[in-house]
Amino acid sequence: QVQLQESGPGLVKPLETLSLTCTVSGYSISSGYYWGWIRQPPGKGLEWIGNFFHGGSTFYSPSLKSRVTMSADTSKNQFSLRLTSVTAADTAVYYCTRAYCSSTSCYEFDNWGQGTLVTVSS
Amino acid sequence: SYELTQPPSVSVSPGQTASITCSGDKLGRKYVCWYQQKPGQSPVLVIYQDNKRPSGIPERFSGSNSGNTATLTISGTQAMDEADYYCQAWDISTAAVFGGGTKLTVL
Repeated sequence: QVQLQESGPGLVKPLETLSLTCTVSGYSISSGYYWGWIRQPPGKGLEWIGNFFHGGSTFYSPSLKSRVTMSADTSKNQFSLRLTSVTAADTAVYYCTRAYCSSTSCYEFDNWGQGTLVTVSS
Repeated sequence: SYELTQPPSVSVSPGQTASITCSGDKLGRKYVCWYQQKPGQSPVLVIYQDNKRPSGIPERFSGSNSGNTATLTISGTQAMDEADYYCQAWDISTAAVFGGGTKLTVL
């Protein structure tokens, strides 16, 4: 059974960089599927951030693309999110996800972490 | 940019059928999936590729997609089905896009 677990600071200052890590168990991230992040501001809906395939394609939200980087550490079976120049609008629960994608499209997110709240505040 | 529109809320009596719609331009040409999110929990995939159910999802959940509207149908709705439901699709301009969510109330 695939399990995903987010970790990282719960508080980030404005204009600094948000960094989160997702640890995956039950499946090797280098074996297939796409991996990525979705966020949910408190009391609001879901917003896709992006997905990547280790050693292959990357998809980023057009609205966040200039600030987002995703990477993987296969030795630890982890992947990471970096979001630069954060503002209060980036305050949200951040979920790491596994996605089923082709080389051009992602179709569904079939496994989710429990989520971690990141607050942007001075 | 591409948008998906859902009704903010839907109410249903226990045992009845609930239908939650998701509208978007030429949505029937795209794959749609649906997620259930209960308070304080992560979303769970309940329908993918328009009408497929992941392992472990009850048969009372079904989906359809045609024209500009996709529909999630819950037959014989139970109290445990009370949750927020989100549709999601992929568009060449916005990539992954979610609907705004529908709060299903089982009265």
